[in-house]
Amino acid sequence: KNQVEQSPQSLIILEGKNCTLQCNYTVSPFSNLRWYKQDTGRGPVSLTIMTFSENTKSNGRYTATLDADTKQSSLHITASQLSDSASYICVVRNDYKLSFGAGTTVTVRA
Amino acid sequence: AAGVIQSPRHLIKEKRETATLKCYPIPRHDTVYWYQQGPGQDPQFLISFYEKMQSDKGSIPDRFSAQQFSDYHSELNMSSLELGDSALYFCASSKGLVYEQYFGPGTRLTVT
Repeated sequence: KNQVEQSPQSLIILEGKNCTLQCNYTVSPFSNLRWYKQDTGRGPVSLTIMTFSENTKSNGRYTATLDADTKQSSLHITASQLSDSASYICVVRNDYKLSFGAGTTVTVRA
Repeated sequence: AAGVIQSPRHLIKEKRETATLKCYPIPRHDTVYWYQQGPGQDPQFLISFYEKMQSDKGSIPDRFSAQQFSDYHSELNMSSLELGDSALYFCASSKGLVYEQYFGPGTRLTVT
């Protein structure tokens, strides 16, 4: 069973709208959690990194939250743009190992 | 800033052929990781090297081998290619085993 579960698997939103992606994990012990953006055919690019003590972190129009008690994280995209169309992957670190979620494919339409 | 470099970016091979993928880490990074990502799948960890020694092994097939050289670049050698090997292969580098991994752009391998 995957230790990192993401939902939804995919979503379509209109340009300018907001959306929220979810990540639930069972990885233990926990070091940090990252959200990556992966464009088709490219390597993942880090958006945010959160450690145990952090609840919210923003990077431009991307805001990540972390609840270490319930082992849940979310990534909120504000005022979506066409360039936000990509796969968003939640990655949880355990010591030096990474556990990847399956990703959420976001499609932004004009 | 310099990023992880992978070559080639695209590669087309036939079944049973061999392929070599190269990864050049960010300068002063001593750790390299290889991942395989099939269509619509999450990345699968293959193998990693720290200071030219294998540090961890994941789901790497026996047909594949890899090494890290004295200049810290790494090569993934793939033999007896199968159709199922078609995937995006990307490597990541870090400065030590516990630090952030920076991903390269990937090599798209297509086996026909």
